[in-house]
Amino acid sequence: DVKVTQSSRYLVKRTGEKVFLECVQDMDHENMFWYRQDPGLGLRLIYFSYDVKMKEKGDIPEGYSVSREKKERFSLILESASTNQTSMYLCASSELAGEQYFGPGTRLTVT
Amino acid sequence: GNSVTQMEGPVTLSEEAFLTINCTYTATGYPSLFWYVQYPGEGLQLLLKATKADDKGSNKGFEATYRKETTSFHLEKGSVQVSDSAVYFCALVNSGGYQKVTFGTGTKLQVIP
Repeated sequence: DVKVTQSSRYLVKRTGEKVFLECVQDMDHENMFWYRQDPGLGLRLIYFSYDVKMKEKGDIPEGYSVSREKKERFSLILESASTNQTSMYLCASSELAGEQYFGPGTRLTVT
Repeated sequence: GNSVTQMEGPVTLSEEAFLTINCTYTATGYPSLFWYVQYPGEGLQLLLKATKADDKGSNKGFEATYRKETTSFHLEKGSVQVSDSAVYFCALVNSGGYQKVTFGTGTKLQVIP
């Protein structure tokens, strides 16, 4: 089975802090994704990566950056956390288009 | 652009009731269609998929048929269980190998004993 792990289940940070969310997949997938999930808004794509060191902006990239130095690892970075970035963050990986494997999520609270 | 519209939730059913969750879509070309499920405290899991018109996806007693003429992909189950309580997401991806998935907003299902 594909396994996607995320570094933390719950995280509390202060406004202005730099925040790193880590995601690791163990199935050698080319594609990795970061979403945020908010009530009533569903999943919104922040960034995705289709290869090492390659990235593309999703629908809501503002305030975020990403890093993919190794195939199995995809990091989401909040350069200066703000309260409107309080959310559930989901990482996913895929090989076939549309068939995504998700991690358990990180619930981030920014105070 | 692409969009997916799901029925508003929450949907509350008694155990063994019949389930339908409606999903309609707007897309260019011939998208592939998916249903994902999210159990409490977990990430999403792929439940079933259909890649062309009239295909039926099925898994764990759930079914959905790709209806191009009505641009719909409704999820059905004949007899729900308490363990089916979750949030269900309809999704699509364009043909041609594009990886970006468009998700609906999700429909919460609660099954009561």
